[in-house]
Amino acid sequence: QSVLTQPPSVSGAPGQRVTISCTGSSSNIGAGYDVHWYQQLPETAPKVVIYGNNNRPSGVPDRVSGSKSGTSASLAITGLQAEDEADYYCQSYDSSLRGYVFGTGTKVTVL
Amino acid sequence: QVQLVESGGGVVQPGRSLRLSCAASGFIFSDYAMHWVRQAPGKGLEWVAVIWYDGSNKYYADSVKGRFTISRDNSKNTLYLQMNSLRAEDTAVYYCARDYHDWGDAFDIWGQGTMVTVSS
Repeated sequence: QSVLTQPPSVSGAPGQRVTISCTGSSSNIGAGYDVHWYQQLPETAPKVVIYGNNNRPSGVPDRVSGSKSGTSASLAITGLQAEDEADYYCQSYDSSLRGYVFGTGTKVTVL
Repeated sequence: QVQLVESGGGVVQPGRSLRLSCAASGFIFSDYAMHWVRQAPGKGLEWVAVIWYDGSNKYYADSVKGRFTISRDNSKNTLYLQMNSLRAEDTAVYYCARDYHDWGDAFDIWGQGTMVTVSS
């Protein structure tokens, strides 16, 4: 069982905005460790879409953004497009576990 | 181009061993920490292990501690995962991933994955 909790699914119509929450604790996100977000398309390896809480790698559209506050983080996708339909995972480090942790994952569906 | 290619997966009986490899190319392998991450069928991502750039430190998830060993050969640009005493719950796609320190240790490059099935 993961120590980072995400909603199982979120959905939106094309053009709409969706947000995905990632809830942690004082030993991971709340301890100040960076949060990263990964997109996983079906049958493919994950790809980082946000690193260091709110930074986009080259090639990731500015419709995708990240934020962090307290023991939680969020990923927002605006102007939702069909290509955004995928699973998304948050990831951080946990000092109590002395290891890296992933969120439970969220499936984004474009209606 | 920057690339990671895993190999060594397959079907293995419970209790047996398997060694995975991850061949790196397109970057200076010895400059980066490396991870193994796995994904059971239909499930989420689970971090497995990390090894420092020079092999000096290794850390494991509790679920594999004492059974799996991560190692690397920087002269061969290759990462390994020795898996012993395999269990049915170890069945998963195993990915190797590069740790990019400048990005806060985000996993910036991933391999395509190799499937491990533990079954009698």
